[in-house]
Amino acid sequence: GAVVSQHPSRVICKSGTSVKIECRSLDFQATTMFWYRQFPKQSLMLMATSNEGSKATYEQGVEKDKFLINHASLTLSTLTVTSAHPEDSSFYICSATGGGAFPGELFFGEGSRLTVL
Amino acid sequence: QKEVEQDPGPLSVPEGAIVSLNCTYSNSAFQYFMWYRQYSRKGPELLMYTYSSGNKEDGRFTAQVDKSSKYISLFIRDSQPSDSATYLCAMLWGGGYQKVTFGTGTKLQVIP
Repeated sequence: GAVVSQHPSRVICKSGTSVKIECRSLDFQATTMFWYRQFPKQSLMLMATSNEGSKATYEQGVEKDKFLINHASLTLSTLTVTSAHPEDSSFYICSATGGGAFPGELFFGEGSRLTVL
Repeated sequence: QKEVEQDPGPLSVPEGAIVSLNCTYSNSAFQYFMWYRQYSRKGPELLMYTYSSGNKEDGRFTAQVDKSSKYISLFIRDSQPSDSATYLCAMLWGGGYQKVTFGTGTKLQVIP
């Protein structure tokens, strides 16, 4: 199946710094990429949807100035957590569509665990 | 009321048992029904998907959809310790199939 690579898998940063997480589709062109946040023992919470070359669409309650999403190419999307605070500590997962057996089939990255000290 | 309801568990079963995982939903616009498996601290992986009511089998896994009751199930036969994971149901909908709604996930533990 299609592969989505997410990097880094784990990052620790100091409060007030910015962190960038990359999401790459390795063997297909991702028409759309999604970013999720997952708290312990909870389901995936969609943060934003991005299409290559256009601005991301953020879900209600997600601060777009804090969570910057760039989808510069059909194989790469980045999520930058700006001025991170401890409450931003979470598991962030990306997914992509475009390489599946049915429209909208999602392929997920391995996730990135962010810890803000 | 949530659009998708899923018992979070945890569900503990002995090895070899048949496992039944379920979700109910309220949105008639859902078109594709999927089951994802998520191991701890990993991204979800697609197990099965169905489009219409009925059963779909793949090895030890059977996905069942009943659109009239708005109820979907995933059955795992001869469960193995390696099946221990969180299972998320997900529904796909919207123009271009861009909208996905996830259940909360059921944590399954298969005890050797």
